[in-house]
Amino acid sequence: NFMLTQPHSVSESPGKTVTISCTGSSGNIASNYVQWFQQRPGSAPTTVIYEDDQRPSGVPARFSGSIDSSSNSASLTISGLQTEDEADYYCQSYDSSVVLFGGGTKLIVL
Amino acid sequence: QVQLVESGGGVVQPGKSLRLSCAASGSTFSSYGMHWVRQAPGKGLEWVALIWHDGGNKLYADSVKGRFTISRDDSKNTLYLQINSLRVEDTAVYYCARGANWNHPEYYGMDVWGQGTTVTVSS
Repeated sequence: NFMLTQPHSVSESPGKTVTISCTGSSGNIASNYVQWFQQRPGSAPTTVIYEDDQRPSGVPARFSGSIDSSSNSASLTISGLQTEDEADYYCQSYDSSVVLFGGGTKLIVL
Repeated sequence: QVQLVESGGGVVQPGKSLRLSCAASGSTFSSYGMHWVRQAPGKGLEWVALIWHDGGNKLYADSVKGRFTISRDDSKNTLYLQINSLRVEDTAVYYCARGANWNHPEYYGMDVWGQGTTVTVSS
């Protein structure tokens, strides 16, 4: 079964840039769209990136998404880190009649 | 903007059944596919089920296939999740979420989420 693997946690300082990876276990991650969701404690998820690299209105341009077919991975990059970016981030895609999420990455802004 | 409000959660004994509801505001509910996603305490998001806008197609996670049934009543702008033979591992917050694309909800993820309803399975 296809799986999406994310690092358990990443940490970086305010003002810096951080990249969170989401690696597909097989096949070609570029075959289906990847979305990224942000979830703060006690809140429902919200979309920060959809269709690999699109930002919903209201999401700062500091958030960007990309796909790297050579490593079969998607990435979420957040530049100019702010303390409010501290949250859990989940990648999501689809494969063989299954919608799936990555395990989530806790972003710590210290 | 559409709003989703889940209800029906609670504390239930193992082996019992429960039906969750998700009420949608707005007139576009019938145009979109709808998902259920759950999150066990301290764990990540787990997709549970998807129903197409016309109810003609449904997908389930392997972990719930045969026990969970997703359905919708467009006349009531409401999505349902029937959960049978509840297990301790079904304990989670259950979110309903709108599919981001009316035609292919499976490919495009979710764009609107409810606040969730909590299901606790315990004897």
